[in-house]
Amino acid sequence: QLQLQESGPGLVKPSETLSLTCTVSGGSISSSSLYWGWVRQPPGKGLEWIATMHYSGSTYYSPSLKSRVTLSVDTSKNQFSLKLSSVTAADTAVYYCASCRDYYGSGTYWGQGTLVTVSS
Amino acid sequence: QSALTQPASVSGSPGQSITISCTGTSSDVGGYNYVSWYQQHPGKAPKLMIYNVSNRPSGVSNRFSGSKSGNTASLTISGLQAEDEADYYCSSLTSSSTLEVFGGGTKLTVL
Repeated sequence: QLQLQESGPGLVKPSETLSLTCTVSGGSISSSSLYWGWVRQPPGKGLEWIATMHYSGSTYYSPSLKSRVTLSVDTSKNQFSLKLSSVTAADTAVYYCASCRDYYGSGTYWGQGTLVTVSS
Repeated sequence: QSALTQPASVSGSPGQSITISCTGTSSDVGGYNYVSWYQQHPGKAPKLMIYNVSNRPSGVSNRFSGSKSGNTASLTISGLQAEDEADYYCSSLTSSSTLEVFGGGTKLTVL
């Protein structure tokens, strides 16, 4: 069974870049049948897909976040990463990484989530 | 405002059945058989309960079932148990994005 774990700073200053990494264990990030994605959840609010990717390089973004999001994968470390630039307080949320059944989401295995607060 | 509309809350007694609706449009729920349902307990990550409208991932109880009619999808939980108390989110592929869009979530209370 896949296990995912998010890591990264819990506090980011406004206008800076949020960077998170998801480490995958129990399976290969290079699996051709899986996609990998990020979801966020502002405190007390609902879920929002940020982006998904395939290890081969295909990426899919939320239209509202596309201009600020960069995804990358490191197959040697079985990790994938998220960068979100020019953050504001509205980007404060719990960020989850997940394995996805397909490019559009349908997350099957999830990390425990990490709270990122945007504040000076 | 979420793209998909769910009731804010539903409740039921142990052993009963409840249904949570998820209403969209022909551009999302009605246009694709790619509706998923997630269960989220407080402070925990979401858990996929149903995918592709009515399929259950391995390990999910058969008390959970999904269906769709027109622009509305439904999650039915039969034989309610205390552990089913959680937030439930629907999601659907949509023509306006390459990613799923979520409903606003429904809080299920087991009385």
